[in-house]
Amino acid sequence: DAGVTQSPTHLIKTRGQQVTLRCSPKSGHDTVSWYQQALGQGPQFIFQYYEEEERQRGNFPDRFSGHQFPNYSSELNVNALLLGDSALYLCASSSAFGPAGGVSGANVLTFGAGSRLTVL
Amino acid sequence: QQPVQSPQAVILREGEDAVINCSSSKALYSVHWYRQKHGEAPVFLMILLKGGEQKGHEKISASFNEKKQQSSLYLTASQLSYSGTYFCGPTSGGGADGLTFGKGTHLIIQP
Repeated sequence: DAGVTQSPTHLIKTRGQQVTLRCSPKSGHDTVSWYQQALGQGPQFIFQYYEEEERQRGNFPDRFSGHQFPNYSSELNVNALLLGDSALYLCASSSAFGPAGGVSGANVLTFGAGSRLTVL
Repeated sequence: QQPVQSPQAVILREGEDAVINCSSSKALYSVHWYRQKHGEAPVFLMILLKGGEQKGHEKISASFNEKKQQSSLYLTASQLSYSGTYFCGPTSGGGADGLTFGKGTHLIIQP
């Protein structure tokens, strides 16, 4: 059973450029969340997608945008890259109808290994 | 607001016990615990729900103090495989909450 897959695993960009990161959720999952993890920090929530719509957003600027496709896969786009955007970007999938009887806040997240973005 | 975890780091000998604490400034509905090994994805350990329900790992237990807005993770008779960084992610509602993780607790288990 394939878990969450992300691509690319590593990439290097320069300031001002744009980047697209991709995520395929675990089989059976329909919800995708994106997190940014700076070195030595915990993952920070960017946004969550369900039924192809952004359902919730963390404290990130509009330069961060996303998309979810009908097959539940997702993309994270970051425009006008800044040096501070250098981080590990983690995708996590879950099921809207999770183990706690459909209460989304209690669902288990399955994380991918991440995409390491370096902005020079 | 980011939860506060303590201690920041701990070094143990194999077989010793460890306690990791997580404090939130918000009323708790649930607390998630994940472990991340170096260079790997975070892995689910446990969820504690308001009302006392727990779902998670066989050899790891946790407590949930709704009144104090705190949770603690208990690692008993630690094994080398327990090494890693532990993150808590409390939620204040039962909706589609994105998790706000703490900065993590680095646990090193030595033989």
